[in-house]
Amino acid sequence: KAGVTQTPRYLIKTRGQQVTLSCSPISGHRSVSWYQQTPGQGLQFLFEYFSETQRNKGNFPGRFSGRQFSNSRSEMNVSTLELGDSALYLCASRQTGGRGYTFGSGTRLTVV
Amino acid sequence: DQQVKQNSPSLSVQEGRISILNCDYTNSMFDYFLWYKKYPAEGPTFLISISSIKDKNEDGRFTVFLNKSAKHLSLHIVPSQPGDSAVYFCAASAGRGSTLGRLYFGRGTQLTVWP
Repeated sequence: KAGVTQTPRYLIKTRGQQVTLSCSPISGHRSVSWYQQTPGQGLQFLFEYFSETQRNKGNFPGRFSGRQFSNSRSEMNVSTLELGDSALYLCASRQTGGRGYTFGSGTRLTVV
Repeated sequence: DQQVKQNSPSLSVQEGRISILNCDYTNSMFDYFLWYKKYPAEGPTFLISISSIKDKNEDGRFTVFLNKSAKHLSLHIVPSQPGDSAVYFCAASAGRGSTLGRLYFGRGTQLTVWP
């Protein structure tokens, strides 16, 4: 059974640009969450999607957005990139009714 | 507001000995707790979990203990092996309410197991 797949693995962007990250959950998992990991703040929750609806959102500015498609794949978008957005972005999926999350390998975003 | 805390940023243990990683939480709505292991530039890997209706869960070398009255949980690794060296994250979630589906993480503990 394939795990959670995130693309791309690495990304370098310039301040002011925007970026889109992609996540394919485990087959059959309809819930997808996104987290940001930075050395200073640890793992911070961004948002969760279930059946194409955002169910929960963390404390991030509106520049961070996401969506989920009918096949449960998800994307997150960051507009007007800032240096502080440099981080490892992690996607996780879980089964409906399950409590455990499986994480992808992440996308390492560097903003220069 | 750090609702899950891992107060020891690092732990060093000799191979074969027991590793004990600790975690405290403040939110009484949390009813499910997980431990993840993480290597640099990779995603967290699930290790073991425990529901609040239990006080212990065991899986091979890994045992998690939950003390609800103290809002404290711990992960025991016995015996510790060099391959266990990684950052360990404690996470918690609430089964209902506005934060359903969200994991709250501690800052992690770097475990080093030396030969």
